Amino acid sequence: GQQLNQSPQSMFIQEGEDVSMNCTSSSIFNTWLWYKQDPGEGPVLLIALYKAGELTSNGRLTAQFGITRKDSFLNISASIPSDVGIYFCAGRRTGGFKTIFGAGTRLFVKA
Amino acid sequence: EAQVTQNPRYLITVTGKKLTVTCSQNMNHEYMSWYRQDPGLGLRQIYYSMNVEVTDKGDVPEGYKVSRKEKRNFPLILESPSPNQTSLYFCASSPADLAFGNTEAFFGQGTRLTVV
Repeated sequence: GQQLNQSPQSMFIQEGEDVSMNCTSSSIFNTWLWYKQDPGEGPVLLIALYKAGELTSNGRLTAQFGITRKDSFLNISASIPSDVGIYFCAGRRTGGFKTIFGAGTRLFVKA
Repeated sequence: EAQVTQNPRYLITVTGKKLTVTCSQNMNHEYMSWYRQDPGLGLRQIYYSMNVEVTDKGDVPEGYKVSRKEKRNFPLILESPSPNQTSLYFCASSPADLAFGNTEAFFGQGTRLTVV
């Protein structure tokens, strides 16, 4: 069953605002991934994190792998209308190859 | 162009009629996997494959079969579809290297399946 808690479920923000979303788990993960899904499309990998404490940026996106290895967050700075979509976190536990996804954060950006 | 291709994109079928959803990638990736996406539940992994002839169950494998006879193809088989398998299905692939660590780097465009 679902083992990643992703929050918030949805966000309504104004263009130009910064956004923050996170994922937590009761289990330790050795990989954290963040994806974006546009309507009618498959998810697109945004950022991959492989080490506790790692902070990685991809343009206006920044993601961190929590020190406890049980959480991760994604920040989007200076949001623009094309940031609209569903953002998913995903994790993989140590020694395994199964990937668990969060339920997603639906982002709405008002111009 | 590097891509993961699923077919069909849309399918309506009847309960019990065997069907296969194909997935093909042109990137010589070792790792491939199948997901279903349902509202409020995110993506749930059905099966994955580390390489040719190597497959394993994900979180929700019941009612599904897969095969990996060639590196590029990873078909999803529903031997006897039921209405609770109505969902949006995604195939994904990744190279087995340090950059991606066998994670889901590339997704197909999805197959919307309705079982009546």
